[in-house]
Amino acid sequence: GESVGLHLPTLSVQEGDNSIINCAYSNSASDYFIWYKQESGKGPQFIIDIRSNMDKRQGQRVTVLLNKTVKHLSLQIAATQPGDSAVYFCAEFSTRRALTFGSGTRLQVQP
Amino acid sequence: DGGITQSPKYLFRKEGQNVTLSCEQNLNHDAMYWYRQDPGQGLRLIYYSQIVNDFQKGDIAEGYSVSREKKESFPLTVTSAQKNPTAFYLCASSFRTPDTHEQYFGPGTRLTVT
Repeated sequence: GESVGLHLPTLSVQEGDNSIINCAYSNSASDYFIWYKQESGKGPQFIIDIRSNMDKRQGQRVTVLLNKTVKHLSLQIAATQPGDSAVYFCAEFSTRRALTFGSGTRLQVQP
Repeated sequence: DGGITQSPKYLFRKEGQNVTLSCEQNLNHDAMYWYRQDPGQGLRLIYYSQIVNDFQKGDIAEGYSVSREKKESFPLTVTSAQKNPTAFYLCASSFRTPDTHEQYFGPGTRLTVT
C-alpha cells in the first residue's frame, strides 16, 4: 500500500544554520512530491514540489532532493530563520489522484 | 482576492448532532478535498471531488458525507455516526492538470463535539 513517513518528529536548529527534513515514501509509482509548511492553527502552505523525473529542485532558500532508488525525499532550508518554525509535511501524488501526506516534522528554530 | 474560505473557524456541537462545514473557493479550481487533522498528526483524506456532481471516498470517509453541486462549493457534513468527530478540518482545492498537483488550503475549521 501507499505510505509516506518521516524519520524525525522534531528537529531543533540554531538560527542561521541549515535545516534538513527527511521523508520516506513507499509507492515507487508516485511521480510527484510536494512539501508544505503548516503554522499552528493554520492551513498548510505550499513550499516546493518536484516530479519524479528530477533529482533536485531549488526555490528561494529551499531545495528538495529526490532519491528514487531508496525512495527518499528531503527538504533543505538554508539560513534557517525564526519564521521557519512550523510543522513540515511531505506528500506524494497517488494513482487515486489525491495527495497522501506524511505525519510531519516540527522544526524549532533557536535564536 | 482569490482563495479558499472555510466557515466557521470554531464550531461546537453536542454529541448526536449532525454538523455541516462550509468550504468555498473562487480560484476556478476543478478539484476539491477534505482532510481531517488530529493533534500532532498529519492530514488524512476524507473525501475528494474532481468535478461537479462527482466525489470519491478517501481514507476515512465513514461518518462523513459531502456534496458537490457547484464548482465553487464542497460542504462536508459530519454525521452522528462519526465516532470521534472532534478535530481540525481542512478543505483544499486544485487544478486538474498533469503538470502540478499543488493543493491550496483554507484556514480550517476546528470542530469540538461534547
